[in-house]
Amino acid sequence: DAKTTQPPSMDCAEGRAANLPCNHSTISGNEYVYWYRQIHSQGPQYIIHGLKNNETNEMASLIITEDRKSSTLILPHATLRDTAVYYCIVRKNQGGKLIFGQGTELSVKP
Amino acid sequence: GEEVAQTPKHLVRGEGQKAKLYCAPIKGHSYVFWYQQVLKNEFKFLISFQNENVFDETGMPKERFSAKCLPNSPCSLEIQATKLEDSAVYFCASSHPKLAGGYNEQFFGPGTRLTVL
Repeated sequence: DAKTTQPPSMDCAEGRAANLPCNHSTISGNEYVYWYRQIHSQGPQYIIHGLKNNETNEMASLIITEDRKSSTLILPHATLRDTAVYYCIVRKNQGGKLIFGQGTELSVKP
Repeated sequence: GEEVAQTPKHLVRGEGQKAKLYCAPIKGHSYVFWYQQVLKNEFKFLISFQNENVFDETGMPKERFSAKCLPNSPCSLEIQATKLEDSAVYFCASSHPKLAGGYNEQFFGPGTRLTVL
C-alpha cells in the first residue's frame, strides 16, 4: 500500500471549514484513499473514502486531485467535537489491514 | 451486537505474567483485526481473521503473541510472559465482507489498555 504524508498538526476556528491535506504520490490505480479519525483515546472512526471522484457524506467531503497524488478532507463547519487525530490511508479495496501513518492532529478552537 | 465490544477495558500485569484480551465483533461481520497503539498516533497492525481462519498475520510478533477466533466465542489475543514494551492500547476492529459500494469499512472497539509493570 502506498505511503501517505500529512502535516502533524493544524488549528481551525469553530464554525469554519477545516481542510486537511494528504500527499500520496505513489498511489496506484487500484488503491483507494480512506480517512479515519481518532477522538481522544477512542477507537478510530471511519469518515469517508474515494477512488478518483470527489465524495461527500454527512460527515465530510473528500477532494482528490486529478492525478490522484494528493487529497483534501474537508469538514465544512468544524465543531469542538471534531478535535481529533485524522488519518489518511491508502489501500486496495479488497479488505485487509489499515496502515496508519502519523496523522494530523486537528485542534478546533472556540 | 451493533458495536465491537472489547474486554477488559484496563488490564495490569506484572512483567512475565500472561495477558488475555477479548473482542466480540459486530454480528454478521466475518473479518476481525487486531491493532496495537503503543504511543499516541502510532498504530501497528497485528493480525486479522476471516471467520475462524487467520487471514493476515504479518504483523504478529513470532514469540509470545497468539490469537484465536473460534465459532460462537469472542476472539482473543493472548500475550505470554508480558514485557514492559507490550504496554499499549490494543484495538479490535471488525468488518463486513461486502458492504454497499463494495468497500470494507472497519468498525473499531474502544480498546483494552494493557499496562505491564
